[in-house]
Amino acid sequence: QVTLKESGPGILQPSQTLSLTCSFSGFSLSTSGMGVGWIRQPSGKGLEWLAHIWWDDVKRYNPALKSRLTLSKNTSSSQVFLKIASVDTADTATYYCARVDSAWFAYWGQGTLVTVSA
Amino acid sequence: DIQMTQSPASLSASVGETVTITCRASENIYSYLAWYQQKQGKSPHLLVYNAKTLAEGVPSRFSGSGSGTQFSLKINSLQPEDFGSYYCQHHYGTPPTFGGGTKLEIK
Repeated sequence: QVTLKESGPGILQPSQTLSLTCSFSGFSLSTSGMGVGWIRQPSGKGLEWLAHIWWDDVKRYNPALKSRLTLSKNTSSSQVFLKIASVDTADTATYYCARVDSAWFAYWGQGTLVTVSA
Repeated sequence: DIQMTQSPASLSASVGETVTITCRASENIYSYLAWYQQKQGKSPHLLVYNAKTLAEGVPSRFSGSGSGTQFSLKINSLQPEDFGSYYCQHHYGTPPTFGGGTKLEIK
């Protein structure tokens, strides 16, 4: 059974760095073809892809946010990490991680709400 | 970036009706399109990928079609659990962008 779960700080202040963790089970990021992606959704709004990382450590970032994003993984602990630098109120959203099958998001976590507020 | 445009933005229908949601890509994406359902307060759920392949466990009343720039998701005989929001997403390279969503409500 594939499961993913996001964790984050809940609330942080503008200009800080947001650190998110995706802990997953039911698959391995050492398996060829596997990937984990991050998508966010402001309350009441649509979905925005942020980044994803593949089994071979290839990373892809949303060009609009690339300068602020850093992805990494720990295959042995089945975790993927996303850092977003210099957050502001526009980064307030629910952040999801998802398993990437080829290029679609086959399994999603429950999401973690991040609020950026002074 | 490829822009994805969904229509309608909202839709009201009754249980048992058939509805169709459309998605248009700003350029040719061949058949590289996925559809997701999202219920209020929940994470999205994959319905269709490669434009017409149903994801595992998705009921056969859902069907996807189209290629190139025009796509549709059809739901036959709406069930109470089908109400929610629907999103298309192209999976033709990066960045994979989503449509703005269609909110399907009970009439």
